[in-house]
Amino acid sequence: DAGVIQSPRHEVTEMGQEVTLRCKPISGHNSLFWYRQTMMRGLELLIYFNNNVPIDDSGMPEDRFSAKMPNASFSTLKIQPSEPRDSAVYFCASSYRGLNYGYTFGSGTRLTVV
Amino acid sequence: AQSVSQHNHHVILSEAASLELGCNYSYGGTVNLFWYVQYPGQHLQLLLKYFSGDPLVKGIKGFEAEFIKSKFSFNLRKPSVQWSDTAEYFCAVMSGSQGNLIFGKGTKLSVKP
Repeated sequence: DAGVIQSPRHEVTEMGQEVTLRCKPISGHNSLFWYRQTMMRGLELLIYFNNNVPIDDSGMPEDRFSAKMPNASFSTLKIQPSEPRDSAVYFCASSYRGLNYGYTFGSGTRLTVV
Repeated sequence: AQSVSQHNHHVILSEAASLELGCNYSYGGTVNLFWYVQYPGQHLQLLLKYFSGDPLVKGIKGFEAEFIKSKFSFNLRKPSVQWSDTAEYFCAVMSGSQGNLIFGKGTKLSVKP
């Protein structure tokens, strides 16, 4: 298994631009999570999906952030417009809910907004 | 709401020293407990987990953790650290099998050669 795959690994963009982060979960996993990691705030859960349905998006910081999961093998996190304070590492993780295996994390996308 | 507290922000040790990283959680029901490790520039990887049974859990690379229910604690230990253990360590708790993982803020471990 290739694990959780995220793209791109690094993204540098100008303030005001739209940014789209992508995630392919492990095949067979039915839950997907988006986390943001910063020095100041640590690891924050932004949103998670069960069976492609968004369950809890209370961690999404603002309306500028949106996430979709059109099918079981793909999810996107979009920031529009981006701001410098969005600079962080964004991790995607997947799991099989109901089995206590914890989460498998992707390698993350390091976003820099200048 | 559930929360996870990791007492130390940054721990600095010399090689061969013993390690103990504290983790306390606030949740009264059945919990599953995890420790993740994040090596510099990498993603989080599972180090060990506790679901039930023996409260002393052994993980990879010589790490172990002890679940003490009365203290709501799940401290991570290693008898002798190596330079390659330099990383950030995250404690996490999941309520039952359907809950979400709640992470602590992490403890950065620096091991001096």
